[in-house]
Amino acid sequence: VQLVESGGGVVQPGRSLRLSCEASGFIFSSHELHWLRQAPGKGLEWVAVITNDGSKKYYAESVKGRFTISRDNSKNTVYLQMNGLGVEDTAVYYCAKDFDDWGQGILVTVSS
Amino acid sequence: AGLTQPPSVSKDLGQTATLACAGNSDNVGAEGAAWLQQRQGHPPKLLFYRNNNRPSGISDRLSASRSGNTASLTITGLQPEDEADYYCSAWDYGLSAWVFGGGTKLTVL
Repeated sequence: VQLVESGGGVVQPGRSLRLSCEASGFIFSSHELHWLRQAPGKGLEWVAVITNDGSKKYYAESVKGRFTISRDNSKNTVYLQMNGLGVEDTAVYYCAKDFDDWGQGILVTVSS
Repeated sequence: AGLTQPPSVSKDLGQTATLACAGNSDNVGAEGAAWLQQRQGHPPKLLFYRNNNRPSGISDRLSASRSGNTASLTITGLQPEDEADYYCSAWDYGLSAWVFGGGTKLTVL
């Protein structure tokens, strides 16, 4: 199983960013996919989850209305569209399959 | 509201550590808690599913249990490699969201 995040970087407050997570080594369309994050020196924070067929999506209160999770089962990829970013969104973002497989994480820094 | 974990636990090499995770009837009390380990500079690693089953490859020195709204992770025969941050997590039916504890830093002396 491999999960590889991309799309991170430095972005100004108020701007948008889209993260991608490309998966391999398992039947992608059979599993829920999560995004989680970890601010520097802080604990893990769950961000969002999408069901295997994309029909249901759930979000942490801290990102509801700003972030959107989606997936393309034909591309084995899950996405996180992040709008209205604030400095509090600075973190390493991880994608995870059912919490039992994780990507290496990608850093998003929100700074002017 | 998230789950509650003690910020730190310190134990001697070879001893037993029990890490607690307190929730409520909407989360831990409903379906239990998963446990994850995170070593410095690495992504988290699942230790136990919410049903207290261990993924393959996880040492049998580790065990998980639940009593009411509190979940526990027990590590026997502590080794230097057990030094890490440990997180519990549960689905919260009231919030329709996953909630995490703040993590416990385990130090092996």
